[in-house]
Amino acid sequence: EPEVTQTPSHQVTQMGQEVILRCVPISNHLYFYWYRQILGQKVEFLVSFYNNEISEKSEIFDDQFSVERPDGSNFTLKIRSTKLEDSAMYFCASKGVRDEQYFGPGTRLTVT
Amino acid sequence: AQSVAQPEDQVNVAEGNPLTVKCTYSVSGNPYLFWYVQYPNRGLQFLLKYITGDNLVKGSYGFEAEFNKSQTSFHLKKPSALVSDSALYFCAVRDDTGFQKLVFGTGTRLLVSP
Repeated sequence: EPEVTQTPSHQVTQMGQEVILRCVPISNHLYFYWYRQILGQKVEFLVSFYNNEISEKSEIFDDQFSVERPDGSNFTLKIRSTKLEDSAMYFCASKGVRDEQYFGPGTRLTVT
Repeated sequence: AQSVAQPEDQVNVAEGNPLTVKCTYSVSGNPYLFWYVQYPNRGLQFLLKYITGDNLVKGSYGFEAEFNKSQTSFHLKKPSALVSDSALYFCAVRDDTGFQKLVFGTGTRLLVSP
């Protein structure tokens, strides 16, 4: 069964550094999303991406964040200058013609 | 704005007993409701959804959910709990604006004791 994959599984970085989180969505899906989950809290929407552009973003998704789909398979989330409060689990999700979104296993980002 | 509420932080049930994890929703239009499960250090796995049709929705691993429009609820149920069902369960509603992001509840931890 096809699945969403994410790399790395765990990323440790210093405050102020740039990080890129990578995702490979399910191949025939057209809608892509990033969510995050701060430890012990609920899952929060960050951004959605469709037709090679951002379709919606939350208040969390400020100028430090960017997304792109550089080729036909990868979908990346970049944080330009990480802050301590960016420490969280980041989930990528994709959706096809059906209603449900399929989530990857997540990348745990730790900012020190 | 769409929202869901999960009133219980934790539900404890003995193996073999029926389980219910509660969820209520608030939407401006038709509700599109989902349940996801999260095992430790894992991503979110889709369990089931309600879009339209029968109020009792069947999903993966023997789970089902009952949609109740008058009570604006979408409770997750299973007739006989397994220890392996112990996990974090999230109710979510699809936002009908924009590109259909999911709005999640705060999650309910289910603990099934042997």
